[in-house]
Amino acid sequence: EDKVVQSPLSLVVHEGDTVTLNCSYEVTNFRSLLWYKQEKKAPTFLFMLTSSGIEKKSGRLSSILDKKELFSILNITATQTGDSAIYLCANSGSARQLTFGSGTQLTVLP
Amino acid sequence: EADIYQTPRYLVIGTGKKITLECSQTMGHDKMYWYQQDPGMELHLIHYSYGVNSTEKGDLSSESTVSRIRTEHFPLTLESARPSHTSQYLCASSPPPGQGSTGELFFGEGSRLTVL
Repeated sequence: EDKVVQSPLSLVVHEGDTVTLNCSYEVTNFRSLLWYKQEKKAPTFLFMLTSSGIEKKSGRLSSILDKKELFSILNITATQTGDSAIYLCANSGSARQLTFGSGTQLTVLP
Repeated sequence: EADIYQTPRYLVIGTGKKITLECSQTMGHDKMYWYQQDPGMELHLIHYSYGVNSTEKGDLSSESTVSRIRTEHFPLTLESARPSHTSQYLCASSPPPGQGSTGELFFGEGSRLTVL
């Protein structure tokens, strides 16, 4: 059974701090790993990492995938209050559906 | 920008009522999904469809049913709602990889159901 575990469950930082969110996974026939940001409404897509693209960067956010150790990290530098959200990690395996982790609740204080 | 819509956004009903949560997408995506999410918990896949007349149950057992008569429409129905069905229900869709997509899901804004 595919499994995704995220840590920490919650994190409180101050603006300007750098945070690292962790995602470990167990999956049969790995296809991709995705990161989503969920504020009050629906999750919005951040990154997808595959065997051919193990590092992605967009502005202050970056993510890497370690297929050997079966984990991914999401890094946010110079955090802002608008970064406060739940960050979800999901993987896609042989079942072809996404298995989501429980998320990391990030709170950025001014 | 994704075009996937859910109605109602919020619903409070009494036990035993029949409800249908609507989900429509205008992107022509073949794949559609229903996820259930309780506060602070992960998303659980309850139903999915790979095209018209195709529906499958997901990882989490659910008493709901779905139908896929048209590509753009994927409604979820509870015949007799109970308090245990109180949750947020998220609909999503995705195009097949061949259409230049990354395989990502596009989510609707969710339907928050409360059963009294």
